[in-house]
Amino acid sequence: QSALTQPASVSGSPGQSITISCTGTSSDVGSFNLVSWYQQEPDKAPKVKIYEVSKRPSGVSNRFSGSKSGSTASLTISGLQAEDEADYYCCAYAGSNTWVFGGGTKVTVL
Amino acid sequence: QLQLQESGPGLVEPSETLSLICTVSGASISSSTYYWGWIRQPPGKGLEWIGSIYSSGRTYYTPSLKSRVTISVDTSKNQFSLKLSSVTAADTAVYSCATLLGGTYFDNWGQGTLVTVSS
Repeated sequence: QSALTQPASVSGSPGQSITISCTGTSSDVGSFNLVSWYQQEPDKAPKVKIYEVSKRPSGVSNRFSGSKSGSTASLTISGLQAEDEADYYCCAYAGSNTWVFGGGTKVTVL
Repeated sequence: QLQLQESGPGLVEPSETLSLICTVSGASISSSTYYWGWIRQPPGKGLEWIGSIYSSGRTYYTPSLKSRVTISVDTSKNQFSLKLSSVTAADTAVYSCATLLGGTYFDNWGQGTLVTVSS
């Protein structure tokens, strides 16, 4: 069970859209629609932004959207804002009641 | 509102056993709505799922730690715990407890507690 692969960093200007990829395998991302995305600010607990690939929890801005194609899931942040600067992690169900996280992506707002 | 709070020693000696407790408030540890889990984050690194325990008492662990990890529940105290044996410096991390809502995603997290493995 290996960590999901995410780019180390992604950046964008305010108002732009950015997309973070999360690549797994046919045993995790590719097999189940149980991919979630978390935002983690420095020294804070992670907060879920997307669950079950593309669903947003109540209270999460619709600027956050998720999708999946094959074994790669993606998180898109549209209308990028300064407050979106944080680390983002994907997480996927890997079968047999186990879970795997991605290595994390640092989002910088230029 | 469901809240989680980790507690335990911040320093553990190499080869010893790391023991942490997560105290749950705002929900019953016996609830079938939630599964209870532990996640860790080494300094400057990413998140790693350690394991989960369901209301049935069944436990599931990440393969790389399975031989050293035990997660259990104390319903009388509304707590669940983590034990990690034979620790090394590589086990130094912020350890967080979290709820797995309906088995779909981690919706509530504790603040996390830093555990350093050092003599």
